[in-house]
Amino acid sequence: GENVEQHPSTLSVQEGDSAVIKCTYSDSASNYFPWYKQELGKRPQLIIDIRSNVGEKKDQRIAVTLNKTAKHFSLHITETQPEDSAVYFCAAIVTDSWGKLQFGAGTQVVVTP
Amino acid sequence: DGGITQSPKYLFRKEGQNVTLSCEQNLNHDAMYWYRQDPGQGLRLIYYSQIVNDFQKGDIAEGYSVSREKKESFPLTVTSAQKNPTAFYLCASSGGLRSNQPQHFGDGTRLSIL
Repeated sequence: GENVEQHPSTLSVQEGDSAVIKCTYSDSASNYFPWYKQELGKRPQLIIDIRSNVGEKKDQRIAVTLNKTAKHFSLHITETQPEDSAVYFCAAIVTDSWGKLQFGAGTQVVVTP
Repeated sequence: DGGITQSPKYLFRKEGQNVTLSCEQNLNHDAMYWYRQDPGQGLRLIYYSQIVNDFQKGDIAEGYSVSREKKESFPLTVTSAQKNPTAFYLCASSGGLRSNQPQHFGDGTRLSIL
């Protein structure tokens, strides 16, 4: 089955700097990769997703890149702000699974002023 | 999301008791999912359903049961067989069978043992 590994588990950045979170997946047929942000005690919220027919997608300060050959994808947050502090989860769709996602273990991002 | 409602927000279970967590969606989504999240941990899939009257076990189904009698509803029962039920339970839904649609989550239910 699909296996998703996420690194680092914790990330501390100065406000204004960039943050990068990396994920690798095992199923070469996987073709959909969402990213979720979860603030303490709240539900995960979709912040960006990418499909395998594109290599990069941007939404304001957030971007995701996908390397299908290497089977890894990354989340980039530029000009970080304190409100970016949260746990971020990557995920990959499990092929032939009716939309079932395999989640990474999460990255705790702390943005210090 | 406003379209996925979980209740109650907090729930307490006595030893030997079964409890049921509610999940309702008005997004007309075909697929629904239940996840368990332990403190500081990731999301683990308990059960999922693609259509009415059909559901599949996820990675940690033991001690849990579900039903899908209506498209809008996917209740989760935590049975007395689940010896460590304290966790944050999240329900999610997504649209389209076999399509790569994002999952959207409800606000969750926190379950604790009395």
